[in-house]
Amino acid sequence: DIQMTQSPSTLSASVGDRVTITCRASQSISSWLAWYQQKPGKAPKLLIYKASDLEPGVPSRFSGSGSGTEFTLTISRLQPDDFAIYYCQQYNSYSWTFGQGTKVEIK
Amino acid sequence: QVQLVQSGAEVKPPGASVKVSCEASAYPFTDYYVHWVRQAPGQGLEWMGIIDPSGGSTTYSQKFQGRLTLTSDTSTSTVYMHLRSLTSGDTAVYYCARWGWGLDYWGQGTLVTVSS
Repeated sequence: DIQMTQSPSTLSASVGDRVTITCRASQSISSWLAWYQQKPGKAPKLLIYKASDLEPGVPSRFSGSGSGTEFTLTISRLQPDDFAIYYCQQYNSYSWTFGQGTKVEIK
Repeated sequence: QVQLVQSGAEVKPPGASVKVSCEASAYPFTDYYVHWVRQAPGQGLEWMGIIDPSGGSTTYSQKFQGRLTLTSDTSTSTVYMHLRSLTSGDTAVYYCARWGWGLDYWGQGTLVTVSS
């Protein structure tokens, strides 16, 4: 199985900061990566698919990049609504795996 | 608007099985695969399996092979998740989610509690 490793596990930041979360795959997954945001008690929300495509309705301050084994999610200017847990998910060769999550908390 | 509505919370004893439903609406049911994902209390997301509602073909995570069955009923636009031989480690919120170019629509989640 393909393993996904996110870093950091927790990130403390302030409103207005630029934030970057990294996700590494144990083998190449081309660009088959999605990013999700989850808030307490809620289902996850799709932010990015195919590594860099923004889901309709998602603010443009969110962006994704990368291919192969290394990927990043960037929030250009952190807003109060962005404090949440973020997960990457790979989909390759008919298998799907999530990273362990990155909690973005208020500094 | 697209909706996935799941059945209600369940409490099961160890060794029992549970069946959770996920009714889809406002989109062509057979055009989109449906995934199941679970989340134990305070933990991350865990992918369980996928079903093609049109033909019923499935793929399961190795972790759940032999214990998990996903089925679909095109007449009611409903997908079912059946998990057997429950242990306390299966206590979690179970989500169904539609696969577009990612998991673009999610059910509200169903809490399954395994307790004697």
